Amino acid sequence: GEDVEQSLFLSVREGDSSVINCTYTDSSSTYLYWYKQEPGAGLQLLTYIFSNMDMKQDQRLTVLLNKKDKHLSLRIADTQTGDSAIYFCAESPGFQKLVFGTGTRLLVSP
Amino acid sequence: GAVVSQHPSWVICKSGTSVKIECRSLDFQATTMFWYRQFPKQSLMLMATSNEGSKATYEQGVEKDKFLINHASLTLSTLTVTSAHPEDSSFYICSAREGGQKAGITDTQYFGPGTRLTVL
Repeated sequence: GEDVEQSLFLSVREGDSSVINCTYTDSSSTYLYWYKQEPGAGLQLLTYIFSNMDMKQDQRLTVLLNKKDKHLSLRIADTQTGDSAIYFCAESPGFQKLVFGTGTRLLVSP
Repeated sequence: GAVVSQHPSWVICKSGTSVKIECRSLDFQATTMFWYRQFPKQSLMLMATSNEGSKATYEQGVEKDKFLINHASLTLSTLTVTSAHPEDSSFYICSAREGGQKAGITDTQYFGPGTRLTVL
């Protein structure tokens, strides 16, 4: 089955690192994604990782993938107040289809 | 980057009326578009996959006669909520996938800003 789980809430101080975790179930996903949603808005693709990679770094973002444990994480370095949003991980169990996680609300305080 | 627009951004309607939501890919051709709904503080749930020139594929539990999807061109898909009821109130988000395969990313979906529907 398709079930993507995330912790619901994370609160950090500005300048700290944030780590958002995700567990997924479908090992056939070719790509895994992280999306950001600001209040009342659509989703913005932040980054993605190919399933045969362990890590991907993109400026302040670092994605770690543990395929054995089906665990994905997103680390945001030097978190800013503008990073406050809901973050969704997503797996792609079949061509075209995305299955989203439950979303993690990140709150960054000054 | 690829831009997807939705219209309207919000709509309020009376129970029993129908509402049409448009999703447009502005700078690319989208052979496939997706429709999601999102309840407050919840994740996105895929409703249907819309392929240009063919019938939409609906997810289990989604009434195809209630949520009519039309994808008549490579840049436009519409979702019509027929005989809307208060329980249909939600945030509807579309996404579009570019035709063909972009090198390195086969499933990239570009999302619209969403349409908030309130049914009174």
